[in-house]
Amino acid sequence: GAVVSQHPSWVICKSGTSVKIECRSLDFQATTMFWYRQFPKQSLMLMATSNEGSKATYEQGVEKDKFLINHASLTLSTLTVTSAHPEDSSFYICSASSITGFGEQFFGPGTRLTVL
Amino acid sequence: GEDVEQSLFLSVREGDSSVINCTYTDSSSTYLYWYKQEPGAGLQLLTYIFSNMDMKQDQRLTVLLNKKDKHLSLRIADTQTGDSAIYFCAGGDTGRRALTFGSGTRLQVQP
Repeated sequence: GAVVSQHPSWVICKSGTSVKIECRSLDFQATTMFWYRQFPKQSLMLMATSNEGSKATYEQGVEKDKFLINHASLTLSTLTVTSAHPEDSSFYICSASSITGFGEQFFGPGTRLTVL
Repeated sequence: GEDVEQSLFLSVREGDSSVINCTYTDSSSTYLYWYKQEPGAGLQLLTYIFSNMDMKQDQRLTVLLNKKDKHLSLRIADTQTGDSAIYFCAGGDTGRRALTFGSGTRLQVQP
């Protein structure tokens, strides 16, 4: 099946620094990628929808200047958490939908961000 | 937006059947999905059902869809300890729209 990778899988950073998370579709092209956030023991909450070559669409309440999303190619989207604070600590999961098929989404393994 | 509700916790004995339930408010979803999430890991797609279907069976998994009651269920036959995880139902349209996830059901399988 289609594989989506995320890098890094776990990152610990100091408050005030920026962290970049990569999401790659390894064996298919994805016009659309989604970024979700999951707090402990909670469900996934959509942060933004990213389409290749255009600006991301952010959900209400998500600061676009804080969570920068770049979708420069059909296989790569990045999420940069700028000036991270402890409340940004969370599990970030991306998904990608294939150009072909019925549009099912394939999820990455997630990135755990811990901000000290 | 759509609301998707799930019970929070289910405990069964190994070898029994597990039934995880999900109710939703928006009937416009084209596909309904079941995902499995093990601790510290991402989501694994288990199965999906097209909205014009009533039932889908895939090995130990049986999905039932009651469109009138907006109720979706996942039955796992012969539940194993390796099935212990959190199970999310989700509704979606084409791949260009994000999925709406339920709150997740933690399945605990006792030996």
